[in-house]
Amino acid sequence: GENVEQHPSTLSVQEGDSAVIKCTYSDSASNYFPWYKQELGKRPQLIIDIRSNVGEKKDQRIAVTLNKTAKHFSLHITETQPEDSAVYFCAATEGGTSYGKLTFGQGTILTVHP
Amino acid sequence: DAGVTQSPTHLIKTRGQQVTLRCSPKSGHDTVSWYQQALGQGPQFIFQYYEEEERQRGNFPDRFSGHQFPNYSSELNVNALLLGDSALYLCASGSLAARETQYFGPGTRLLVL
Repeated sequence: GENVEQHPSTLSVQEGDSAVIKCTYSDSASNYFPWYKQELGKRPQLIIDIRSNVGEKKDQRIAVTLNKTAKHFSLHITETQPEDSAVYFCAATEGGTSYGKLTFGQGTILTVHP
Repeated sequence: DAGVTQSPTHLIKTRGQQVTLRCSPKSGHDTVSWYQQALGQGPQFIFQYYEEEERQRGNFPDRFSGHQFPNYSSELNVNALLLGDSALYLCASGSLAARETQYFGPGTRLLVL
């Protein structure tokens, strides 16, 4: 089955800096990669996703890049703000469907210091 | 437009007991997936239901079972509870027909004593 590795496990940045979280996946058939943000005690919230026919996608301060050859994808957050502090999870779906089984990375605790 | 809802929000059980958790999907969604999230871990896939059938299953024992009703809502049942079953149980709904991505409910926090 699919295996997703996520790094780093913790990331501490100053407000205004950029943050980058990286994930690798094992199943070359996977072609849908969402990112979720989870605040303490809350549900995971989808913040951005990318499909394999696209190399990069942006939404305001958030961007995701995908390298299918290397089987890795990354989340980029620019101009970080304290409210960006949360746990971020990358995921991949087996079979490449957006509605199928999600395999999650281990999570990255992002702390943005004012 | 209601999002994904789950009940109850919190639950305390003792070892050996049985528990039923409930999920109502987002309006227009037809699939319901269940995930177990232990403290400090990412969610782990338990199973997914579509058209009242279990469509996919993760590496969980048969003590974990589920059901989907004609209105697309779903239940997760766990028998013979173990201490290690203590976790946040998340339900996610999506749409196979519309190929729409999944959104999570608020979760049920289960504590087994």
